[in-house]
Amino acid sequence: QVQLVDSGGTLVKPGGSLRLSCAASGFTFSDNYMSWIRQAPGKGLECVSYISNSGDITYYADSVKGRFTISRDNTKNSLYLQMQSLRAEDTAVYYCARDTGPFWNWGQGTLVTVSS
Amino acid sequence: EIVLTQSPGTLSLSPGERAALSCRASQSISNNFLAWYQQKPGQAPRLLIYAASSRATGIPDRFSGSASGTDFTLTISRLEPEDFAVFYCQQYGSSPHTFGQGTKLEIK
Repeated sequence: QVQLVDSGGTLVKPGGSLRLSCAASGFTFSDNYMSWIRQAPGKGLECVSYISNSGDITYYADSVKGRFTISRDNTKNSLYLQMQSLRAEDTAVYYCARDTGPFWNWGQGTLVTVSS
Repeated sequence: EIVLTQSPGTLSLSPGERAALSCRASQSISNNFLAWYQQKPGQAPRLLIYAASSRATGIPDRFSGSASGTDFTLTISRLEPEDFAVFYCQQYGSSPHTFGQGTKLEIK
């Protein structure tokens, strides 16, 4: 069955950096767009970034453009989100998701807390 | 970008009752590419409905979706205790894909 396992979330100081990872299994990873979606505490869902199956097309929300970089390694069935210049407002649970248009499968989420 | 407005913010109903959740788009959504998700506390969202009215794999038939122009509705025919949660709509007809702000369905 499809499994997405998010990892890498932790407490980081404002201005710091962090890399999130998502390990995929149970489907042909290289055939699928993938996305990162976040949810601030007690808030709704925000599409942060997506990447095409080959990695040549990427999208970033305005709120993270220039600070976050999405990437993938199809040989390792893995998705990444490199986050820099982190701000308090980046505090959220970050989910990776298989992006088939609708988000058909989701990881369990990893918590990023930006605080001094 | 397309803005999705969900109503009501909170819906209080009893098990066995019928629930109707609304999602209104700020403009037409291509091919009615709208999805509904259910999220329970501490869990990731789960896809319920895609393309406005198609049920995802394993979703009970008490969940149904419909569309009329820019208005979309998720209906739960007879509420079960496990159905109470927060529901989000999401459009994927144009980039960026956007979510509504959510409707909380709580037990009355």
